[in-house]
Amino acid sequence: EPEVTQTPSHQVTQMGQEVILRCVPISNHLYFYWYRQILGQKVEFLVSFYNNEISEKSEIFDDQFSVERPDGSNFTLKIRSTKLEDSAMYFCASSETGEKLFFGSGTQLSVL
Amino acid sequence: QKEVEQDPGPLSVPEGAIVSLNCTYSNSAFQYFMWYRQYSRKGPELLMYTYSSGNKEDGRFTAQVDKSSKYISLFIRDSQPSDSATYLCAMSESGGGADGLTFGKGTHLIIQP
Repeated sequence: EPEVTQTPSHQVTQMGQEVILRCVPISNHLYFYWYRQILGQKVEFLVSFYNNEISEKSEIFDDQFSVERPDGSNFTLKIRSTKLEDSAMYFCASSETGEKLFFGSGTQLSVL
Repeated sequence: QKEVEQDPGPLSVPEGAIVSLNCTYSNSAFQYFMWYRQYSRKGPELLMYTYSSGNKEDGRFTAQVDKSSKYISLFIRDSQPSDSATYLCAMSESGGGADGLTFGKGTHLIIQP
């Protein structure tokens, strides 16, 4: 069964460093998303991406964040200068029609 | 306001019992309602997807939406130990696409063998 793949599964970084989280969405999907889940809290929407541009972003997705689809298969989330409060599980999701979302297993980001 | 409320549990029931999980919400613009299952250290897995009010059944799972009360439910029949997980409700105004999903905090369900 097709699935969304995320790498790495764990990422440890120092505060102020840049990180790139990588995702390979399901191959025929056109809509891509990033969500995050801080430990013990709700899954939160960050950004949606369609037709090579951002469709919508939440208040969390400030200038420190950016997304890119550098080729036909990868979708990345970059955090330019990480803060302690960026520590969370980051989930990539994709959808064929923009309705049913399928999530990856996540990248656990720890900022020290 | 896009608040979604969900009792975090844990909810512990014996194997074979019927489980009822619920969420309430305040935004009357929500039209699409979903239930996801999340195992520890994994991503959410879509279980049920419904539009507007009504019932939807899929195997042992039944989803109900009552928009007039702003209340949604997931019923699990003949519960199995493998159903032990965190169940997240999620909803959106436009089908989960551009405006993103708003999640509840999740209910931790334990099915005792």
